Amino acid sequence: NAGVTQTPKFRVLKTGQSMTLLCAQDMNHEYMYWYRQDPGMGLRLIHYSVGEGTTAKGEVPDGYNVSRLKKQNFLLGLESAAPSQTSVYFCASSRGTGKFQETQYFGPGTRLLVL
Amino acid sequence: GQSLEQPSEVTAVEGAIVQINCTYQTSGFYGLSWYQQHDGGAPTFLSYNALDGLEETGRFSSFLSRSDSYGYLLLQELQMKDSASYFCAVRPRPGSYQLTFGKGTKLSVIP
Repeated sequence: NAGVTQTPKFRVLKTGQSMTLLCAQDMNHEYMYWYRQDPGMGLRLIHYSVGEGTTAKGEVPDGYNVSRLKKQNFLLGLESAAPSQTSVYFCASSRGTGKFQETQYFGPGTRLLVL
Repeated sequence: GQSLEQPSEVTAVEGAIVQINCTYQTSGFYGLSWYQQHDGGAPTFLSYNALDGLEETGRFSSFLSRSDSYGYLLLQELQMKDSASYFCAVRPRPGSYQLTFGKGTKLSVIP
């Protein structure tokens, strides 16, 4: 099993450009998440999905859109990139079984630089 | 709102024991988790406490006191490879698997 994979690993954008980050998981997990990580800020939730076809806003959703057309994929889109979106983006997934404990499994991250 | 406080940096000697504290103020509480992240790597799950007390997993232990809104991660027999950032995270709402993360504690293990 590959676990959680992210594409691309690194990207440089100019202000105003658009791009899509792809997350894929092969663990048949129901829940998927997109986080951003900035120095000294920890991980902040952007958007999440509780199942195929569903999405919801997290803590810092502005400037981002997401889609979950297939259970195994979760896409994060930036329509018009801004320098403030320079960050490391992590995707994660979890089973969503209803159990009290819910471990999240993270992908390797995408480093995005917006000039 | 949610607020988690943990020290930004901790330094400890190889072979020693170190404790990383986490205090939280959240609108709800349904468990405290700990994640480890090496530089340039992805966060990985370490431990979880839903109830008060100590949970042990090998060299790592985690403690929770819900009445004090406080928990800690204890690392024993420190090894150089334990140098990493450690994040506490709270699940604040039932029926949801969202996590709110602290800003992380950077642990440096020195010889």
